[in-house]
Amino acid sequence: NAGVTQTPKFRVLKTGQSMTLLCAQDMNHEYMYWYRQDPGMGLRLIHYSVGEGTTAKGEVPDGYNVSRLKKQNFLLGLESAAPSQTSVYFCASSETGGGRLNQPQHFGDGTRLSIL
Amino acid sequence: DAKTTQPPSMDCAEGRAANLPCNHSTISGNEYVYWYRQIHSQGPQYIIHGLKNNETNEMASLIITEDRKSSTLILPHATLRDTAVYYCIVKITNAGKSTFGDGTTLTVKP
Repeated sequence: NAGVTQTPKFRVLKTGQSMTLLCAQDMNHEYMYWYRQDPGMGLRLIHYSVGEGTTAKGEVPDGYNVSRLKKQNFLLGLESAAPSQTSVYFCASSETGGGRLNQPQHFGDGTRLSIL
Repeated sequence: DAKTTQPPSMDCAEGRAANLPCNHSTISGNEYVYWYRQIHSQGPQYIIHGLKNNETNEMASLIITEDRKSSTLILPHATLRDTAVYYCIVKITNAGKSTFGDGTTLTVKP
């Protein structure tokens, strides 16, 4: 099992460019999440999804869009990148349903994004 | 989700037990306490979680006070590889989102 895989691992963008970050999980998890982490700070939730076809806003959703067309994939889009979006982006997934609502999150290794 | 308070940093000698405290005085009855750690630039790693009872696994032990307002993560024999930022998170059972604060930076010294 690969767990949670994020692509790309690194990217440099110019202000105003757009891009999509891909998160894939092979654990058949229902919930998926996107976080950002700025230097020296904890993780902040951008958007999350409780199942295929559903998304919800987290703590810092502005400037980002997400889609969950397939259960195993969660995409994070930046329509017009800004220097303030320079950060490390982490994706996570967790199992839920039945008696397993308290299961922990499994994280990917992150995407390091720089906006010039 | 209840807020948590952790000390910003702690040191521990290699081979000794590391005891990391977390205060969650506003925790509600259906909220679990989770611990994660993040080793330099990697994705956070799940360690342990619990509701009321103390828990132990191959990585650590979790001690939750009887009133559930605080907890302690114990790494019984800390190694240099345990140097990391440790996050204590409290969340309800059926909510997907979690709030990660600034955590405690644990430095294990030889």
